[in-house]
Amino acid sequence: ETGVTQSPTHLIKTRGQQVTLRCSSQSGHNTVSWYQQALGQGPQFIFQYYREEENGRGNFPPRFSGLQFPNYSSELNVNALELDDSALYLCASSLEQDQPQHFGDGTRLSIL
Amino acid sequence: RKEVEQDPGPFNVPEGATVAFNCTYSNSASQSFFWYRQDCRKEPKLLMSVYSSGNEDGRFTAQLNRASQYISLLIRDSKLSDSATYLCVVKRRTGANNLFFGTGTRLTVIP
Repeated sequence: ETGVTQSPTHLIKTRGQQVTLRCSSQSGHNTVSWYQQALGQGPQFIFQYYREEENGRGNFPPRFSGLQFPNYSSELNVNALELDDSALYLCASSLEQDQPQHFGDGTRLSIL
Repeated sequence: RKEVEQDPGPFNVPEGATVAFNCTYSNSASQSFFWYRQDCRKEPKLLMSVYSSGNEDGRFTAQLNRASQYISLLIRDSKLSDSATYLCVVKRRTGANNLFFGTGTRLTVIP
């Protein structure tokens, strides 16, 4: 397996709530990217962290925020949840910024 | 216009058939090209990179046409285990090292 682990695997929230998703990158990988995959769509880039700094952001509102820790694990935080936030959230890590990305199993988030 | 466009399918083919998927990308600054495979409710996994000269990996052949901004994947002698969604993916030459995914093409191989 890839070694990228995400938690939790499933989560149910209601509109307006806040959520934190977690990702442990593969050993030695300093770059973590987050993607949102809605049903029937391909993954969409949210943002990327490289050595604890945000290194690029996709077309997502500010209520999507993140962190990367000194051990290169990462969190994705979403505030004021909306129904359309229901999706599979994927984390991918890479050895360096320009190296292949390895995906975790994802967190399936459902908003009621 | 979407960064990557591909036919969502579904493609239903009998075992042993040859099937081809196509994809186009809109940004000429795209640098790297890939096909990923995603099984139902699983994460995407890299199937193969796509090179300008075309490349083959067993029953799978990938082609890239930079002039037309077109990528293809050919699967020969389809197996039941090939049933999955195939995602066309590009990476830009500049900016963050993020991947742009197509919507995916769903393949079902029928016994």
